[in-house]
Amino acid sequence: DADVTQTPRNRITKTGKRIMLECSQTKGHDRMYWYRQDPGLGLRLIYYSFDVKDINKGEISDGYSVSRQAQAKFSLSLESAIPNQTALYFCATSDPMDSVLTEGEQFFGPGTRLTVL
Amino acid sequence: AQSVTQLGSHVSVSEGALVLLRCNYSSSVPPYLFWYVQYPNQGLQLLLKYTTGATLVKGINGFEAEFKKSETSFHLTKPSAHMSDAAEYFCAVSEKTSYDKVIFGPGTSLSVIP
Repeated sequence: DADVTQTPRNRITKTGKRIMLECSQTKGHDRMYWYRQDPGLGLRLIYYSFDVKDINKGEISDGYSVSRQAQAKFSLSLESAIPNQTALYFCATSDPMDSVLTEGEQFFGPGTRLTVL
Repeated sequence: AQSVTQLGSHVSVSEGALVLLRCNYSSSVPPYLFWYVQYPNQGLQLLLKYTTGATLVKGINGFEAEFKKSETSFHLTKPSAHMSDAAEYFCAVSEKTSYDKVIFGPGTSLSVIP
């Protein structure tokens, strides 16, 4: 089974709808992240969480919110979706104390392709 | 502020030819440097990373990269391209003082021609 899972994998919605993207992990990591990927722009950080009680905005948080329900779950919400939020969304995890071998590494889910019409 | 540039959004090589993907970074403190690969319809996975020590880093699938501080570069190479290397490649940088905040480059799409 995958260590980092995302649901749904694909979603098409309409402008103005509320959408929730979910991320679950079995790696036992405290740190979780949400990124969006756009062609030619790479990955940009939306929100990150260092533990259940710690939520931080990334560089492009406007129009998004998050919820860290448990160590293993981190959800991203679009309160009122708009077409320029059409993108590929990735969840990732990390743990600086995991091991020397994985120091600094982030572990990514398979992504959610969101289309806002 | 940190930043990453990748020269060439698309690179095509013949099967068996040298692969060279360029990455330059800016960082005000000693950096951690990464190369991630994204295969179609998949998430990113780590190819290799530089944190400290030897500046020539070897990764999975025959890839390697060299950290050159004087040139602020971390170019990715592979001596002989394979069809399975076709993918999107991302260079990334983070600061050793807060290495969980990673800045990604725009990516380079590698095509391998038979």
